[in-house]
Amino acid sequence: DVKVTQSSRYLVKRTGEKVFLECVQDMDHENMFWYRQDPGLGLRLIYFSYDVKMKEKGDIPEGYSVSREKKERFSLILESASTNQTSMYLCASRTASSTDTQYFGPGTRLTVL
Amino acid sequence: GQNIDQPTEMTATEGAIVQINCTYQTSGFNGLFWYQQHAGEAPTFLSYNVLDGLEEKGRFSSFLSRSKGYSYLLLKELQMKDSASYLCAVRDGGGGNKLTFGTGTQLKVEL
Repeated sequence: DVKVTQSSRYLVKRTGEKVFLECVQDMDHENMFWYRQDPGLGLRLIYFSYDVKMKEKGDIPEGYSVSREKKERFSLILESASTNQTSMYLCASRTASSTDTQYFGPGTRLTVL
Repeated sequence: GQNIDQPTEMTATEGAIVQINCTYQTSGFNGLFWYQQHAGEAPTFLSYNVLDGLEEKGRFSSFLSRSKGYSYLLLKELQMKDSASYLCAVRDGGGGNKLTFGTGTQLKVEL
């Protein structure tokens, strides 16, 4: 079974803090994704990566950056957390095949006070 | 860009059949996915359609009409555990193969 894990299920941070969200997959997938999920807005793509050290902006990259130094790990970074970044963050991974599904991690519920 | 519409909520009775519709307007199309998401959990894959027609998988079926920009998910013999949010997602035609998600349909199954 594909396994995607995220470093925390719940996280509380203060405005202005630097926040790291970690995602690890164990299936040697090439593609990895970071989404946020908000009520009424659905899942929105923040960044994705199709290879080590490669990254592309998604639909809402402002206020975020990412790092992919190893194939299995994809990190989302909030340089200076703000209250409007309070959300559920979901990581996903997928093979390079265009017909394959994405496999999601359990999510991190981030609250910024 | 992509625009995906789904009903916000639906209610159905245990044992019945329910159809969840999804319409999309996209600048490119390279397939449509349906996911199930229980409250507090990650989305899980249900089905994938890239050609017109019906794909059946046990109690769940998914239909696609590319000319109409329309898909539906059909759930038969509903069970209480089917109460969840159902997400429609369209893959764009670009090289990045990004998915754009609808806002989801919250299905409540009642006795």
